[in-house]
Amino acid sequence: QQQVRQSPQSLTVWEGGTTVLTCSYEDSTFNYFPWYQQFPGEGPALLISILSVSDKKEDGRFTTFFNKREKKLSLHIIDSQPGDSATYFCAAHDTNAYKVIFGKGTHLHVLP
Amino acid sequence: EAGVTQSPRYAVLQEGQAVSFWCDPISGHDTLYWYQQPRDQGPQLLVYFRDEAVIDNSQLPSDRFSAVRPKGTNSTLKIQSAKQGDTATYLCASSSGTGSSYEQYFGPGTRLTVL
Repeated sequence: QQQVRQSPQSLTVWEGGTTVLTCSYEDSTFNYFPWYQQFPGEGPALLISILSVSDKKEDGRFTTFFNKREKKLSLHIIDSQPGDSATYFCAAHDTNAYKVIFGKGTHLHVLP
Repeated sequence: EAGVTQSPRYAVLQEGQAVSFWCDPISGHDTLYWYQQPRDQGPQLLVYFRDEAVIDNSQLPSDRFSAVRPKGTNSTLKIQSAKQGDTATYLCASSSGTGSSYEQYFGPGTRLTVL
């Protein structure tokens, strides 16, 4: 069964620190990889995304890295803030077949 | 621009009862998705539409779940004879589906509890 494996399941960091979340996938047809942020009681919101033709994308404090050969991606959050405390999901899309699979999420806690 | 709206926000029912969820996507978005998100898990795609056509409903438990989008705008997801295992948040998302934009915009979800 196709899976997107996400780790860690839960993570606690101090304010100002760097957060690193990782995902791996199996299906080589996946070509679009978004990261979503979800707060309790809300739907997921797109944080940053990357296409398989790129290996890095930055947006402010958030950077995502993509390694096509290893089928891995990561999300780095620098200068983590208490307001970043949320659940983060990676997803993998095959935009040609319209297939999408989400990871199980990482619960991030940023302590002041 | 108004976001994706869903109603109701919460639903509690007994096993065997039926329930419907309603979604109003972002205006102009031709693609609409329904996801099921069990507690402490990621969203799992149930069905998606392009305009009024079902593109993929292979993950929809067809014996009890149904989804329609008759005019290519709003959509309804219905569960007949709900089971405890259906307890989850049901998310609707939409996207413009044009060019290279794959971004999905999610609504707040309907949290369903089946007792």
